[in-house]
Order: sequence, then structure tokens, then C-alpha cells
Amino acid sequence: AQSVTQLDSQVPVFEEAPVELRCNYSSSVSVYLFWYVQYPNQGLQLLLKYLSGSTLVESINGFEAEFNKSQTSFHLRKPSVHISDTAEYFCAVSSDSSYKLIFGSGTRLLVRP
Amino acid sequence: DTGVSQDPRHKITKRGQNVTFRCDPISEHNRLYWYRQTLGQGPEFLTYFQNEAQLEKSRLLSDRFSAERPKGSFSTLEIQRTEQGDSAMYLCASSSSGTTYEQYFGPGTRLTVT
Repeated sequence: AQSVTQLDSQVPVFEEAPVELRCNYSSSVSVYLFWYVQYPNQGLQLLLKYLSGSTLVESINGFEAEFNKSQTSFHLRKPSVHISDTAEYFCAVSSDSSYKLIFGSGTRLLVRP
Repeated sequence: DTGVSQDPRHKITKRGQNVTFRCDPISEHNRLYWYRQTLGQGPEFLTYFQNEAQLEKSRLLSDRFSAERPKGSFSTLEIQRTEQGDSAMYLCASSSSGTTYEQYFGPGTRLTVT
């Protein structure tokens, strides 16, 4: 069975500081990995995804994540955060054996001025 | 492309009543998924359809829950004899059968059982 662990339930950080949101997964098959973001009172939006190829993937708003197969991790990073990045971030995994998404419990990123 | 839509956005019902939610996926998407999200948790998978066929159901989906997608377009999720533990946000998502695997989510239906 697949599972996703997001160890940090909340990450407070000052504006313009770097941030890393951790995600670890467990799976016995090849996986596809995703980060979704949920802004206050809004629906889930796809932030970035890893399907194959380059292990470093980037989003249009400056986030990046690196797939590390040996450490079964897909951590999300941003070198300089903005107030507008305040949101809940969910890591998720799926595979060819089942297209459903298995989500972690989420990390609330709180950016302070 | 108007995105995934869900109706209603909010539903308050009394324990024991039946409720039905509707999801309209992105028009060219043939896969449709239902998830449930409770406060402070990530979404949990309930079931998914490819066209009109229901291909997978979670153990979370008790016999009080039923989902349909009769013509392979919109889907309904019905909960019979609602319980307070059913209070949650019910999310619908859709995806194409191509190789992108990404799912697009609707705004959700928030159910409160009193």
C-alpha cells in the first residue's frame, strides 16, 4: 500500500526567507508525485508534479521539488517566500496500478511580514 | 474550459436524512474521482469512474454511500441516513486518460450533519 508522510503540520517563516516543506512516501511500485496547494477558502490547485525524467521539477511561481528515489522523498522548496504563499500544501502520490491520489496530512505554510 | 463544478457548495442536514451531491467534470475528461476531506487532514479517496464504469471504491465507502456516473459525464454522490461523522468537505476531481495523471479539483461541497 502507498502512503505519504508530511512531518511538519505547520511551518512559520518570515517573508523573503527560504522554506522547505518535507514529504516522504512509501510505495512498492513506481510512483508519480504531486504537490497541491490550497489557499484560504479555495479549492486544491496543482502546484507541480513528477512523472518521469528530470528529478527536479519547478512551478511557475518559484517553487521547486526534487524526487529522491533512494530517500523516498519529494520535498518542496522556495528560496524566497511571499506573504501570498500562505496556504496549506499537500503532497500526494499515485501509480499506474491505481490512479487515485494518496495525500499526506498537509503542511500549513504561514508567511509573516 | 470552465473547470470542475460541484453543487451545492454547502449543505446542512439533520442526522438520518439523505443527501445527494453533484459533480460536473471538465468536459473532455473521462476519469472522475470523489474524495472526502475533514478538518486538518488531507483528502481521502472514496471512489473513481472511468467513463460510466466505477473502477475502484475505498473501504471508507460504507454501504450508506453510493456514487453514479450514468452517462459518463456528471456524477452524483449520495449519502443515506447521514451521521454526524459524515460531516466533511466532499471533493470531486477529474482527469483525462492520457499520460499526465494530474487531477483537477472542484471547489467542494461542505456537508454539516446536525
